[in-house]
Amino acid sequence: AQSVTQLGSHVSVSEGALVLLRCNYSSSVPPYLFWYVQYPNQGLQLLLKYTSAATLVKGINGFEAEFKKSETSFHLTKPSAHMSDAAEYFCAVSVMEDKIIFGKGTRLHILP
Amino acid sequence: EAGVTQSPTHLIKTRGQQVTLRCSPISGHTSVYWYQQALGLGLQFLLWYDEGEERNRGNFPPRFSGRQFPNYSSELNVNALELEDSALYLCASSLVPGLALSQETQYFGPGTRLLVL
Repeated sequence: AQSVTQLGSHVSVSEGALVLLRCNYSSSVPPYLFWYVQYPNQGLQLLLKYTSAATLVKGINGFEAEFKKSETSFHLTKPSAHMSDAAEYFCAVSVMEDKIIFGKGTRLHILP
Repeated sequence: EAGVTQSPTHLIKTRGQQVTLRCSPISGHTSVYWYQQALGLGLQFLLWYDEGEERNRGNFPPRFSGRQFPNYSSELNVNALELEDSALYLCASSLVPGLALSQETQYFGPGTRLLVL
């Protein structure tokens, strides 16, 4: 069965510091993996997705994520945090039987 | 190009009442997906409609239902509201049907926030 775990419901980083949001997945078959961002009072927006091509995936707004099969991880990173990055981030996993599972989300706080 | 729109933006109901939420997909998108985002539970898939038919359903009781109209807009109906139905309900649409999202992106609306008292 599929599952996804996001470590840390809240993460705080200083402006300019590295952002690291953790996501671990469980899947019996090669998964598709996604990161979404949700700004206050808005719907979800796709940041990036992994679909079995390159293991390092670059997304919008300077974010990237690396698929590590041995660690069953798909952590989201950004080298330098901006105040505008404050939002809630969701990791999701999907396989071919048309099922998608979202993590519970990590709220990112940016400290001035 | 207009994005996915949802109405109303906010709604307050009492236990036992019924509610209807509405969603208009991006022009040309035939698939509409509904999700529930409840506090502490994250985002959960509710329903997927494509070409007027229900294609897939999440693990929700039958009092959650919906439909898709010929113009591809959609309604989500919730009967016999319970306190735990309080949540943000998100609608998304895609050009190509497929919940797996292997090659397609879903575009999300801003959501309807439902409070059940």
